[in-house]
This record gives sequence, structure tokens and C-alpha cells, in this order.
Amino acid sequence: GEDVEQSLFLSVREGDSSVINCTYTDSSSTYLYWYKQEPGAGLQLLTYIFSNMDMKQDQRLTVLLNKKDKHLSLRIADTQTGDSAIYFCALADEPGGYNKLIFGAGTRLAVHP
Amino acid sequence: DGGITQSPKYLFRKEGQNVTLSCEQNLNHDAMYWYRQDPGQGLRLIYYSQIVNDFQKGDIAEGYSVSREKKESFPLTVTSAQKNPTAFYLCASSIGYTGELFFGEGSRLTVL
Repeated sequence: GEDVEQSLFLSVREGDSSVINCTYTDSSSTYLYWYKQEPGAGLQLLTYIFSNMDMKQDQRLTVLLNKKDKHLSLRIADTQTGDSAIYFCALADEPGGYNKLIFGAGTRLAVHP
Repeated sequence: DGGITQSPKYLFRKEGQNVTLSCEQNLNHDAMYWYRQDPGQGLRLIYYSQIVNDFQKGDIAEGYSVSREKKESFPLTVTSAQKNPTAFYLCASSIGYTGELFFGEGSRLTVL
């Protein structure tokens, strides 16, 4: 089955860029997703990228996809204290199975002054 | 406001007791899910349901049961057969076949 890996912690200074990385083992997922979880809350979809794209930009967020290396990244420009949260990458478990997602362990982003 | 409501937010249970977690949505979504979250691990799928009166096991269904009698409701029962039930449980829903899941705020279950 699919295995999704992320580093567990990232600490950045306010105003710097944050880059959160994700690797996966085997994916025929049509879309790849980034979810955000604030303390004590559920997850919210942050952004996603279609599998035939290399990059997607959405305001301060940039998603990069390297299918050859099976590597997905999320860059947050001008990181703010409100960006402190856990960020999960997620992929569908099977072709067309958009709704059965496999999540990574999540990267806890800490933003300090 | 449309959304997903989970209750209770915190729950304590003695060993050997069954407990039921509630999940209600008013988004008119067809699909609903239960995930379990443990520290340092990703979300793991317990059960999911794509239509009323039908549901499928996820990766860690043992010791859990669900029902889907109404489109709006997908309760999860944590049975005494679940060996390590202390966790944060998240319910989600989606419109059919889309990876955009809408999550509730979660229920934290602690077994004493």
C-alpha cells in the first residue's frame, strides 16, 4: 500500500519562507493534497495539485511536485505566527479513489519572532 | 452554517465499556469517514461510507463498528475489543468522489 512520509518538526522565524516536504512510495493518485490542522481542531484542506502539474501557486502557498522522485513540497512565503499548525500531505489510496486518502504523519510548524 | 458536528469533545471511559461517538453533518454530503489520530502518526482510516446503509472497513477497523442509517449521521462505536482506544477521533465528509474532506473538530477519548 501507499506509504507517505514527512518530517515531524519545522521551526522558522517570522517573515521567512517555510518549506514542508513529503515523500511517497507509490501513487496513482490523481490529486495530491495539503491539509492544515490548528491546535485541538479538525483538518482543513489548504491546497491541492493535479498529478500532471509540476507547480501550483496560490497566494503565499507554492506546491511543487516531482513525480520522478515521488516528492511533494509546500512552500509558505512570509510565514506568520498564524501559520503555526500541523501540515499533512495526503494522497488517494487507489486510482480514482479520491475519497480514500492516505495521510502522512504531519509536520508541526512552529513560527517564532 | 453548514458543517460537521462531533460530540462529545472529550470522553473518559473505563476499560471494558463500549462508547459511541456522534458525527452529524448538514452539508448534504454523500460520503462520510472516521479517522483516528495518534501523536506522531498520520490519520488512519477506520471506516467510511459512500451512501446510506452501506459502509466499508478502513485500515484499522478491528474493535470498531459504525452505522449509516441516515445521510446526515455516521456514529462510531468503540467497543471493548479495541485494545488501545485512547486517541483523537476525527469524522469527515465529502461530496462523492473528491479528496476535499471536511472535518469535524474531533473527539478525544481517554480510557482509564
